Amino acid sequence: DSGVTQTPKHLITATGQRVTLRCSPRSGDLSVYWYQQSLDQGLQFLIQYYNGEERAKGNILERFSAQQFPDLHSELNLSSLELGDSALYFCASSELLEGEQYFGPGTRLTVT
Amino acid sequence: AQSVAQPEDQVNVAEGNPLTVKCTYSVSGNPYLFWYVQYPNRGLQFLLKYITGDNLVKGSYGFEAEFNKSQTSFHLKKPSALVSDSALYFCAVRVPSTTGTYKYFFGTGTRLKVLA
Repeated sequence: DSGVTQTPKHLITATGQRVTLRCSPRSGDLSVYWYQQSLDQGLQFLIQYYNGEERAKGNILERFSAQQFPDLHSELNLSSLELGDSALYFCASSELLEGEQYFGPGTRLTVT
Repeated sequence: AQSVAQPEDQVNVAEGNPLTVKCTYSVSGNPYLFWYVQYPNRGLQFLLKYITGDNLVKGSYGFEAEFNKSQTSFHLKKPSALVSDSALYFCAVRVPSTTGTYKYFFGTGTRLKVLA
């Protein structure tokens, strides 16, 4: 158990809908990362927040957005969902800006 | 374009033999380099990272990686493979972006199979 929690574990929704994935980092970790893992595109880094501020950006679509709240939990919002957004979404946290990352168990999103 | 390459989709090695999982990168500047492992039905775990200093980096579970600047490589190694090392391994790099933040790039992953 890494200490990083993600909810929900599974999510099934229809195309065009909007969902929110939640991540609680390990106690004391200031940095949160979001990743997408799909069969056709592999593992992709989406975005990183550090103490509430965006610090790194990857291949995150404009339909996706994220934020980190004052209590350091983070949410990833996915809107206008498409079939291709079906994937496993991981959150990770680290104590420092570039520290060792601890991953959560992931949220499996299925778009039908 | 900046990228990370893991040229082997799968690597098979006999238990007890040394293993190498290859990673090369093409980025500007001085990158930070990482290896992660994904065991079956589990999330990713951090193995090791290189930022600066000694080219040989030691990480978790007996793994190490060698940074080679001239060959732009960061190969993952272990002297003696265990069956329990069978997993999916990802190489990643972090580079500064033009906006003052950073970007991470991941390789496509290499599946390591250790045979008893």
